[in-house]
Amino acid sequence: QKEVEQNSGPLSVPEGAIASLNCTYSDRVSQSFFWYRQYSGKSPELIMSIYSNGDKEDGRFTAQLNKASQYVSLLIRDSQPSDSATYLCARRGAQKLVFGQGTRLTINP
Amino acid sequence: IAGITQAPTSQILAAGRRMTLRCTQDMRHNAMYWYRQDLGLGLRLIHYSNTAGTTGKGEVPDGYSVSRANTDDFPLTLASAVPSQTSVYFCASSDTTDTQYFGPGTRLTVL
Repeated sequence: QKEVEQNSGPLSVPEGAIASLNCTYSDRVSQSFFWYRQYSGKSPELIMSIYSNGDKEDGRFTAQLNKASQYVSLLIRDSQPSDSATYLCARRGAQKLVFGQGTRLTINP
Repeated sequence: IAGITQAPTSQILAAGRRMTLRCTQDMRHNAMYWYRQDLGLGLRLIHYSNTAGTTGKGEVPDGYSVSRANTDDFPLTLASAVPSQTSVYFCASSDTTDTQYFGPGTRLTVL
């Protein structure tokens, strides 16, 4: 089992809809989780970090963490074509972040 | 403020040659990292450094070496490049919240 698993996609969502990205992890002791966005040909950039169970909102983005079920998700409301990118989920491991393979998201106008 | 810079932007290298990828940060972060990113395999950690003077091995360290003589610089060296080291290489540094900040990347092709 991979330490951090994501559906590689592509995930296609119409403009204005909610995009839902999911990530599961295998290490029950993980405390810190991160969502990064990576545009094609660019480097990853942080969107959200979440450390506690529940929801954390920042603008159109909401991160959700459920430690009991070992999953973390990212919701993007009112999706825009500029949200089209690969989204990487990561958890804090021993002295490093462990990344999932990423989910490629396409927002269709 | 530049953040993290990497050089070169891209490089084509003959197999067997030695190559050093440069990484410099101006954020005074203690921790720095080197990743490679390959299609379908995501980001894989090569080496890391928690503070100047210390380094550690990541998930795929073979064929690579690093040094951390000071806080700002973290060069990655390929002693004898092989085609399987063709990849995009990202350097990153992290602050006390574990948030990692990535450089623009180096695209390396080994022929």
